[in-house]
Parts: sequence; structure tokens; C-alpha cells
Amino acid sequence: GAVVSQHPSWVICKSGTSVKIECRSLDFQATTMFWYRQFPKQSLMLMATSNEGSKATYEQGVEKDKFLINHASLTLSTLTVTSAHPEDSSFYICSARRPGLPINQPQHFGDGTRLSIL
Amino acid sequence: AQSVAQPEDQVNVAEGNPLTVKCTYSVSGNPYLFWYVQYPNRGLQFLLKYITGDNLVKGSYGFEAEFNKSQTSFHLKKPSALVSDSALYFCAVGFQKLVFGTGTRLLVSP
Repeated sequence: GAVVSQHPSWVICKSGTSVKIECRSLDFQATTMFWYRQFPKQSLMLMATSNEGSKATYEQGVEKDKFLINHASLTLSTLTVTSAHPEDSSFYICSARRPGLPINQPQHFGDGTRLSIL
Repeated sequence: AQSVAQPEDQVNVAEGNPLTVKCTYSVSGNPYLFWYVQYPNRGLQFLLKYITGDNLVKGSYGFEAEFNKSQTSFHLKKPSALVSDSALYFCAVGFQKLVFGTGTRLLVSP
């Protein structure tokens, strides 16, 4: 079964609205989670690395004030798209790696959130 | 700059035939190599990985991949394709952070 859960799976909202996406690790505590963005027919682009109890590490070109990441507990990271506009419409995916394992172990991905901004 | 290339946007195969999905990379060092599969509106599912050792690695659902260091390639293969294998396949390379290829859509016809 799934070990990483994302919610909601689909959201449609008006331009200017802020949208929060949740990523939960279900059977392990994840000190690190990753947030990706996927455009249609394109690859996953890493947006940021979410670190429990500290600030997220953003990739170059990603606006940290636009995409707020909070990792307040060991099982939950949230991504908030602030004042969303149509160009923010995309498929957002989170992932986590089981702690204590080497970094060569695979990440577990959530099922993604499709965000549509009208 | 680090990059992963999947030169084919789509691969078409008849059921029962062997399939190959290509991946080459340009990442410094000896990175870890992964293949993931994605079904519509879903996240990615892990198929297999190469860390070290035997160049041919076996993974889930009968898939395997061959690592070639001199060609910096990590092609995904399966001896006999199934219709249910139709999906989007991603090659990923890296260490703590992964770089993903652009994906290859595999269509297996009955």
C-alpha cells in the first residue's frame, strides 16, 4: 500500500487564492521530503527539499515567497501556493525517503495533486 | 550541468515482444540510477535501481536495466511486453537529489 499520501488529489480555484497541499508519510517519520512540479508531457522538476524543524531548501528559480513549505512534524509537510495564478497550474508531487537508510534507497512518491487555477 | 536524456518521447511495442526504453545521463561522479513508472494522475512507482556491482539489474514486474559506464547509459528492458506495461517511464539519476529525464511513454498494443 501507499506509504506517502498527498491531499487533495485535485483542486480547482480562482486566481488569487492560496492553496495548501499536504504530504504525509504514513508508516515512517520523514525528516526530509521533496516537492516536485510536473508540467504536461514534461519531467519532474525539483522545487524544494523540505526539512523537518528547519527552513526548506529551494532550487534555483523557485520563489520561496510564492511556494511556502512547512515541515512542522515528522510525518507532514505542506506546500502552499500563495496568490495562485493560471501559470501555477500544474501537477505537484511530493516524495519522502525512509530515514536511516542510505541515500541510494528509492524515494516514495505521493499520488500527486493536480492544481488548476481559473 | 547535470542532465538525463530519454531520447524517445514514445515507444510502441506489440504485446509479447521485447521492449527497450533508453536513458543516458551526464552527471559527475558515480551517481545512483533509478527507473520509475507513472500511471495517469498518479505519483511515481519505483521499478529498479543501480548502485554498484553487476551491470544488469532486475526489478519489479519483470523489468531489468543494463548499466553501461562507458556510454553513461541505463536502458530499461523487458523480454516480453504486456499491455498493462503501458505507462510513462522516467529515468532518474543522482545522489540525495535526483535529476529526472523527460519521460518516455510506452504503448503496448494487443
